[in-house]
Amino acid sequence: DGGITQSPKYLFRKEGQNVTLSCEQNLNHDAMYWYRQDPGQGLRLIYYSQIVNDFQKGDIAEGYSVSREKKESFPLTVTSAQKNPTAFYLCASSRLAGGPALWQETQYFGPGTRLLVL
Amino acid sequence: GQQVMQIPQYQHVQEGEDFTTYCNSSTTLSNIQWYKQRPGGHPVFLIQLVKSGEVKKQKRLTFQFGEAKKNSSLHITATQTTDVGTYFCAGGYVAGNMLTFGGGTRLMVKP
Repeated sequence: DGGITQSPKYLFRKEGQNVTLSCEQNLNHDAMYWYRQDPGQGLRLIYYSQIVNDFQKGDIAEGYSVSREKKESFPLTVTSAQKNPTAFYLCASSRLAGGPALWQETQYFGPGTRLLVL
Repeated sequence: GQQVMQIPQYQHVQEGEDFTTYCNSSTTLSNIQWYKQRPGGHPVFLIQLVKSGEVKKQKRLTFQFGEAKKNSSLHITATQTTDVGTYFCAGGYVAGNMLTFGGGTRLMVKP
């Protein structure tokens, strides 16, 4: 059954702690993304990647880090530098289109991780 | 920068009433996509529009792309409680780069 999975569903972070959110896809997609969603708000792009060992900062990358060691996996670390990390984190993947519309293919989202600060 | 504005932000309707959300861009879009996010869930792709003036239907949902490819709308006829959720548009620009998501319209349906 193809899809994109995220774990854990809920995550609690203590002050000064780094936490890592998992994202795995078996859709054979090249592109992967991380978004942050605050209550009642839209999606804000944190990081994105089109190939293993390569990724770019989105609009709100400060306080976050990512890695892309495997095509299927794109974990997000919320570092202690992120002072307001409480949010719903969504991972997505897509194919890569040709030409200038590279990043404009349909995105498939995982179920999300809710991060709460203790 | 390129922005996609979506209105209204919230809409309460009585079950059976119609609902419309609008998406507007100041610059020409190459395509627009619509997603639905149920409460507590994740966004799910609904449809993509590419051509100027395009209209597509999915049962009670009608999607339109403007002639100038700068705006789009989603219309739901005779809403049901299962329509509850937030509807996002996401625009792709001719100049490339990422999809730009609108802020979403949250639809609430009173039974």
